[in-house]
Amino acid sequence: DQQVKQNSPSLSVQEGRISILNCDYTNSMFDYFLWYKKYPAEGPTFLISISSIKDKNEDGRFTVFLNKSAKHLSLHIVPSQPGDSAVYFCAARVTSGTYKYIFGTGTRLKVLA
Amino acid sequence: EAGVAQSPRYKIIEKRQSVAFWCNPISGHATLYWYQQILGQGPKLLIQFQNNGVVDDSQLPKDRFSAERLKGVDSTLKIQPAKLEDSAVYLCASSPNLGVAFFGQGTRLTVV
Repeated sequence: DQQVKQNSPSLSVQEGRISILNCDYTNSMFDYFLWYKKYPAEGPTFLISISSIKDKNEDGRFTVFLNKSAKHLSLHIVPSQPGDSAVYFCAARVTSGTYKYIFGTGTRLKVLA
Repeated sequence: EAGVAQSPRYKIIEKRQSVAFWCNPISGHATLYWYQQILGQGPKLLIQFQNNGVVDDSQLPKDRFSAERLKGVDSTLKIQPAKLEDSAVYLCASSPNLGVAFFGQGTRLTVV
């Protein structure tokens, strides 16, 4: 039962353009959503998060949008840079007694110079 | 601030052998997680500790996997005996209460 889904395994974008990574979820109990970036041979690095009471959070070039009615969130990177090339994981937190993070399968972003 | 430390970085063992991984979380973080990431998949939670107590081990294969967190700080994850399908990256993460989880670099296990 995949509660957090990233349906695009890969994405290629030209440098300077916008990258949009998508994530869908099924559990209405998720109250907090995060994006992690992962380079090869490293652990995931926290990038940006959003609470379920908000619909947008922005940090520099990174913006996360949350559409609760559609159970969908997206990460926008503008402008995209070659250093952004990595695997991006969407994660959702269940806050029912414990704080448990459930991850999607990841999207590999390649930013072309 | 020091991050989450894990060792070893890489391990190759034969099936049916035993292996142990070590994790030192960020100082002061009460919650510690062990995740398994199989190639091409997202991290899957194996076990979650709050201080030195287990709060979720529902996806831990308890017939072969065990984990402990002595004194609520360091943690070890053990596999005994290992199977080929245990080949994966084992990630340790920690978080303060209600906070974001921060990950270590992981241990890549290859079972041959």
